[in-house]
Amino acid sequence: DAGVTQSPTHLIKTRGQQVTLRCSPKSGHDTVSWYQQALGQGPQFIFQYYEEEERQRGNFPDRFSGHQFPNYSSELNVNALLLGDSALYLCASSLRGGGETQYFGPGTRLLVL
Amino acid sequence: KNQVEQSPQSLIILEGKNCTLQCNYTVSPFSNLRWYKQDTGRGPVSLTIMTFSENTKSNGRYTATLDADTKQSSLHITASQLSDSASYICVVSAYRGSTLGRLYFGRGTQLTVWP
Repeated sequence: DAGVTQSPTHLIKTRGQQVTLRCSPKSGHDTVSWYQQALGQGPQFIFQYYEEEERQRGNFPDRFSGHQFPNYSSELNVNALLLGDSALYLCASSLRGGGETQYFGPGTRLLVL
Repeated sequence: KNQVEQSPQSLIILEGKNCTLQCNYTVSPFSNLRWYKQDTGRGPVSLTIMTFSENTKSNGRYTATLDADTKQSSLHITASQLSDSASYICVVSAYRGSTLGRLYFGRGTQLTVWP
């Protein structure tokens, strides 16, 4: 039974570019949440997807967008990258909208130069 | 404002010693509190989860306590091992009626265990 998987593991981009990160939830989970974790900080909630809709959103600009597919996998898109977007991006999956324990993937480390 | 504060920010202990990490929160309405362990460069892994009615939960050498009245939690690690070196994150869940839970993360306590 595969846990949460994310791809790619590492990514280097330059300012102004666009990036897409991918997440496959744990088998049987239907909810995906995305977090940004800067070095030495706790994860910051970006948004959560359930039933293919964005259900909740943290304090992130519209440059951050996402999508959930019918198979519950999800993508995080970031446009017009800034240096400050460099971080570990974590995906977490859970059941029924996030009230249950969230299981985290290994993360994608994004470096913006 | 919903917040989760952890202390200390970092901690160094010798192998075999015990330690206690603290978490204070102002999240409302409270649903549950989780402690996660995060190794460097990895995703967090759940250690314990406690609801309003639970005041203690153990997972091996990890014991979490919760005082819902004072909105405080602690994570006690006994007989520390080198592999306990990690960041420990307190996460509080708030419910919005019957819909989705929103998680609030602390910044974590960075624990280093020395031989």
